[in-house]
Amino acid sequence: GEDVEQSLFLSVREGDSSVINCTYTDSSSTYLYWYKQEPGAGLQLLTYIFSNMDMKQDQRLTVLLNKKDKHLSLRIADTQTGDSAIYFCAESPNQAGTALIFGKGTTLSVSS
Amino acid sequence: KAGVTQTPRYLIKTRGQQVTLSCSPISGHRSVSWYQQTPGQGLQFLFEYFSETQRNKGNFPGRFSGRQFSNSRSEMNVSTLELGDSALYLCASSPGQGGAGELFFGEGSRLTVL
Repeated sequence: GEDVEQSLFLSVREGDSSVINCTYTDSSSTYLYWYKQEPGAGLQLLTYIFSNMDMKQDQRLTVLLNKKDKHLSLRIADTQTGDSAIYFCAESPNQAGTALIFGKGTTLSVSS
Repeated sequence: KAGVTQTPRYLIKTRGQQVTLSCSPISGHRSVSWYQQTPGQGLQFLFEYFSETQRNKGNFPGRFSGRQFSNSRSEMNVSTLELGDSALYLCASSPGQGGAGELFFGEGSRLTVL
C-alpha cells in the first residue's frame, strides 16, 4: 500500500546543515512536498518538487529527488534555532495535489 | 489575504456525543481537505471537497462526515464520539485544480473526548 517513511529525530548544531530523508512508495505521485509544523500550529508548506525534477533549490532549502529509489531529501543550509520544528514529507497520489499521504514527521532539534 | 480559519480551536466532548468543526478557506480556493493528526497515527487524510462535492475520501468510518457550502466553507461532523477520536483536526484549502496543489493549513481544532 501507499506509505511514506521518515526518521523520527534529527539533532544538529546551529550553523550546520540538516538533511532530512524520506522514502515513498507511490511512483505515480506527480508532486512531493515538505511541510513544517511548529508547536501548537498547523502545517506550513516549505517547498515541493515535481516528479520529473532531480533537484530544486529555494534559498536555504535544497530538495533532492531520486525517483528510481523513491527517495526524497530536504537539506537546510546554515540551520538556525528557529528551524526547530517537525518536518513532514508528503506525496500526492492524485493530479489535483490533494489527499496527501504524510510521513510521521522528523523532529529537528537545533542547539546553539 | 486572510488565511484558513478553523473554529473552534479547542473543545472537549464526552463519549457518545457528536461534534461539528468549521473551516473557512482562503478566498478564491474551491478545495477544502480535512486531516486528523494524532501522536500514534500521524496525519491521516479524511476527505476533500471541491465545489460542494466530495472528491476524495480517506479510510475512516462513516461516523466521520463533511460537507461544503456554496461559499466554499466546509464543516466536518463526527458522530458517536469515541476516546480514539481525540486529535487535532486540520483543515487545508487549495485552488483545487491545476498547479502543484499546494495546501494551506489552518491552525486546527483540538478535540478531546473524555
